[in-house]
Amino acid sequence: EVQVVESGGGLVQPGGSLRLSCAASGFTVRNYEMNWVRQAPGKGLEWVSYINRSGSKNYYAGSVKGRFTISRDDDKNSVYLQINSLRAEDTALYYCAREDGDKFDYWGQGTLVTVSS
Amino acid sequence: QSVLTQPPSVSAAPGQKVTISCSGTSSNIANNYVSWYQQLPGTAPKLVIYDNNKRPSGIPDRFSGSKSGTSATLGITGLQTGDEADYYCETWDSSLSEGVFGGGTKLTVL
Repeated sequence: EVQVVESGGGLVQPGGSLRLSCAASGFTVRNYEMNWVRQAPGKGLEWVSYINRSGSKNYYAGSVKGRFTISRDDDKNSVYLQINSLRAEDTALYYCAREDGDKFDYWGQGTLVTVSS
Repeated sequence: QSVLTQPPSVSAAPGQKVTISCSGTSSNIANNYVSWYQQLPGTAPKLVIYDNNKRPSGIPDRFSGSKSGTSATLGITGLQTGDEADYYCETWDSSLSEGVFGGGTKLTVL
């Protein structure tokens, strides 16, 4: 069964950092592009970041560029999102989503990041 | 302000049909595939339409998708109370080099 499970969220002060993890099972991450999508409380979905199969190419939303870094560890079958210089507006549920040919076909349940002093 | 524009809400009676529009530009919808996601309350999004008009396995044929120029449309026929959810369109924006979502449309089945 294909699954992605996010972890690493929590309460952090403004300016702080977190590393979110996305553990995959039922498939090999090296064979897929992977994305992070977030959803602020009561708001819509916002695409955050993408990494290609080899890890050589990545893209970021303008709102997080320079602060967030996506990476992958094929040995651990996992994808990560390092989030730095956190702001109140980064408070959201962060989803990891597998991309298969331009579609996000599997999503995790998300990990909650709360930025507050 | 979302790059893709959707109506905030739509409603229809059980058994009826509803359409949800998604408006974009030449840098996104016109030249890339559109996907649609259903998000039931308190759950993760679920893919219901991909490549503009294809349904994943397990999605009933009551759900359909189309695209014309810079706009895409999700159609749902034979509405059921279980279809009440938020629906989002999504595609890639080639100018921004970013994924983009619509603001979401809340479907109410009266």
